[in-house]
Amino acid sequence: DQQVKQNSPSLSVQEGRISILNCDYTNSMFDYFLWYKKYPAEGPTFLISISSIKDKNEDGRFTVFLNKSAKHLSLHIVPSQPGDSAVYFCAASPNYGGATNKLIFGTGTLLAVQP
Amino acid sequence: DVKVTQSSRYLVKRTGEKVFLECVQDMDHENMFWYRQDPGLGLRLIYFSYDVKMKEKGDIPEGYSVSREKKERFSLILESASTNQTSMYLCASSFTRPPLHFGNGTRLTVT
Repeated sequence: DQQVKQNSPSLSVQEGRISILNCDYTNSMFDYFLWYKKYPAEGPTFLISISSIKDKNEDGRFTVFLNKSAKHLSLHIVPSQPGDSAVYFCAASPNYGGATNKLIFGTGTLLAVQP
Repeated sequence: DVKVTQSSRYLVKRTGEKVFLECVQDMDHENMFWYRQDPGLGLRLIYFSYDVKMKEKGDIPEGYSVSREKKERFSLILESASTNQTSMYLCASSFTRPPLHFGNGTRLTVT
């Protein structure tokens, strides 16, 4: 049972344009959401996060939007650069009992930014 | 900068062997995690530990065990390796809340 879903396995975008990566979740107990970026042969790197009390968080070229009623979040990258080409994982953290520190990951979206 | 170090980048083992994957973090993090990454399945949690000698099962603990004798070190043990345990194994650590900081992974092949 996939609690965090990334329905697009891949996305191709032109350099300089906007990249939008999407993520859906099913568990209403998730209260903290994160995006990770992963290059081949490296571990995932934390990119940006958002708490369930917010609907938007920005960090430079990266913005995460959270729509709690739709159980949907998205990552916007503007402008996209070739170095952004990587696999992006969405992750969620539940807030119940002792499980506040676990992360549940989606299946990832491979972003290719074309020069 | 947080440093999570996994002892091996690549390992090749035979079916039935006992395999040890080692992970060390240098940030005095309370929590440590083992995930595996497989194509189309994302990252799945095997085990995690929130304190020395404490451990909890993740979503796919079958066939694995863990050991945490010191705060900075978390070991994943495959008691009898099988071909379906061929995967990328990722260790991570964190304070009480995310984000998790990952090592570079160990690519394990079981033949």
